[in-house]
Amino acid sequence: GDSVTQMEGPVTLSEEAFLTINCTYTATGYPSLFWYVQYPGEGLQLLLKATKADDKGSNKGFEATYRKETTSFHLEKGSVQVSDSAVYFCALRSGGFQKLVFGTGTRLLVSP
Amino acid sequence: DTGVSQNPRHKITKRGQNVTFRCDPISEHNRLYWYRQTLGQGPEFLTYFQNEAQLEKSRLLSDRFSAERPKGSFSTLEIQRTEQGDSAMYLCASSFPGTGMGETQYFGPGTRLLVL
Repeated sequence: GDSVTQMEGPVTLSEEAFLTINCTYTATGYPSLFWYVQYPGEGLQLLLKATKADDKGSNKGFEATYRKETTSFHLEKGSVQVSDSAVYFCALRSGGFQKLVFGTGTRLLVSP
Repeated sequence: DTGVSQNPRHKITKRGQNVTFRCDPISEHNRLYWYRQTLGQGPEFLTYFQNEAQLEKSRLLSDRFSAERPKGSFSTLEIQRTEQGDSAMYLCASSFPGTGMGETQYFGPGTRLLVL
């Protein structure tokens, strides 16, 4: 079945450091890919998405590129802030189904 | 736009009791989803409604679980004869069709269930 694999956390960075959170997937057909973020005490929020190969999703300084050849959708940010501390989930939707399949999440901790 | 709301936010129950959760989607959204999230894991899909029709159902949804969406508005998720393994965060999401596979699901804050 479809699955998403994310790097384990926590990822601990200092403010203004470069961030990469790896995400790879297994899916039938051509999935749509998503990054959701969960801030402490809040619900899941869509961060960015991409629906076809080579698309780049971006939002709030975060970017991810849909790489079909490596089945990856890595999340990057050039300079993280303390306020970016959260849990990040990679997810996919494929096969004509509406359900999202999520990875296990990666916790990001940014210190001043 | 008030977002997706869920009630109650927290529920503690004893093993064997029945519990019911409610989800109110964003008003113009006709698609509604239930997920379950356990500690340290990502959300797992349970079921999906389009209007009042339940169109997808996970194998995770045992016979003790039932979901309804009468009149295609709010939805309820009932768990009968709760077990300790049912302890989790139950998430509801809604969406409005029209953007194809990039359609965004908007999540509520969740109901945290603890079964003693």
